[in-house]
Amino acid sequence: AQKITQTQPGMFVQEKEAVTLDCTYDTSDPSYGLFWYKQPSSGEMIFLIYQGSYDQQNATEGRYSLNFQKARKSANLVISASQLGDSAMYFCAMREGQAGTALIFGKGTTLSVSS
Amino acid sequence: DAGVIQSPRHEVTEMGQEVTLRCKPISGHDYLFWYRQTMMRGLELLIYFNNNVPIDDSGMPEDRFSAKMPNASFSTLKIQPSEPRDSAVYFCASSLKVGVAGELFFGEGSRLTVL
Repeated sequence: AQKITQTQPGMFVQEKEAVTLDCTYDTSDPSYGLFWYKQPSSGEMIFLIYQGSYDQQNATEGRYSLNFQKARKSANLVISASQLGDSAMYFCAMREGQAGTALIFGKGTTLSVSS
Repeated sequence: DAGVIQSPRHEVTEMGQEVTLRCKPISGHDYLFWYRQTMMRGLELLIYFNNNVPIDDSGMPEDRFSAKMPNASFSTLKIQPSEPRDSAVYFCASSLKVGVAGELFFGEGSRLTVL
């Protein structure tokens, strides 16, 4: 079974609009962390935002926020006021357990922002 | 500060040749990860090290792949002999800590094409 599921292969949005990228996860471990990374066409992986399973509030970083719904096991990324530079592939990832393991990545969602 | 440095950025080789990819992690980071990215399989963890010791190599596809970390500032991923199906982007990443919250810092990747 997939640990991280991103069901939207592609999303299209106009500049200045908000967009939500979906991510659901599967784990039985009570301790885990959720991450979002951005991969522009140049190929590098850029860390955007982190949410811990015990965090009481949704994480925010500038225009990025994470809509964390623990009971639904979802960790959707919300980008407010989209910009042309937001066009990229976005990956949701999870790490399980206190001891620490590597990140497991979803398949990604391609976001296209138009003017 | 310098980020994770990978070399070469691009490698084109013929089937059967040996390929060596190199990585210099961020100074002071205890963890080093090798990932492979393909269109079909997305981002897959190959192996990761903690303090130069391999912790989990279950993602290494087969005996043709090997990875070493002789010291804290250098790691190699070797493929011998290479095959066309090894064509992918190989990312190295490092992390200061791998509790649940430790983010990974990625290099720019090595794009490998095996003809």
